[in-house]
Amino acid sequence: ETGVTQSPTHLIKTRGQQVTLRCSSQSGHNTVSWYQQALGQGPQFIFQYYREEENGRGNFPPRFSGLQFPNYSSELNVNALELDDSALYLCASSKDRAHTEAFFGQGTRLTVV
Amino acid sequence: DQQVKQNSPSLSVQEGRISILNCDYTNSMFDYFLWYKKYPAEGPTFLISISSIKDKNEDGRFTVFLNKSAKHLSLHIVPSQPGDSAVYFCAASALTNNNDMRFGAGTRLTVKP
Repeated sequence: ETGVTQSPTHLIKTRGQQVTLRCSSQSGHNTVSWYQQALGQGPQFIFQYYREEENGRGNFPPRFSGLQFPNYSSELNVNALELDDSALYLCASSKDRAHTEAFFGQGTRLTVV
Repeated sequence: DQQVKQNSPSLSVQEGRISILNCDYTNSMFDYFLWYKKYPAEGPTFLISISSIKDKNEDGRFTVFLNKSAKHLSLHIVPSQPGDSAVYFCAASALTNNNDMRFGAGTRLTVKP
């Protein structure tokens, strides 16, 4: 039981729409990282939030944005959805930015049509 | 920019035998390496890790070997069990930039009874 929960589990959106994905971090964890996993590929780092501030970003355009709340839960927002945004979106929570104890949620499967 | 590569998309072994999963990386700044296991419809689960100051780390049936000069690591599972059947991801990070963890594309391991 990882304690990291993501919602929704599945989502279908139309190209051009906006989407918000949510992640509740494990108790005691103050860091949330978001990843995009396309079919047949490994997870790709989108960004990380540590104590409510962005703490690093991967090679994703500005239409991918995020938030972290005082309880350390987090949101990933994607604007102007494109077909290529269809993927599994994973969040991982950890303590103090360390990857050694990162726990992943089950992911949100986003399909853009 | 594929800095972490798993060149074998799949591997099949007999129950009781050794499974060897390989991973290569290109970025010499990486100094911490992790293996994750992923079952369908679940998020990746942390399995074992190794820092660059070591060349071997063992945890029960799982051993990770690191060859820094060759920029190569491998995961050995002995003995393999049918429950080990999953997709295995290799990941790497640099402590100087520890918010960015790079993943390989994964290797699907099938352990046959």
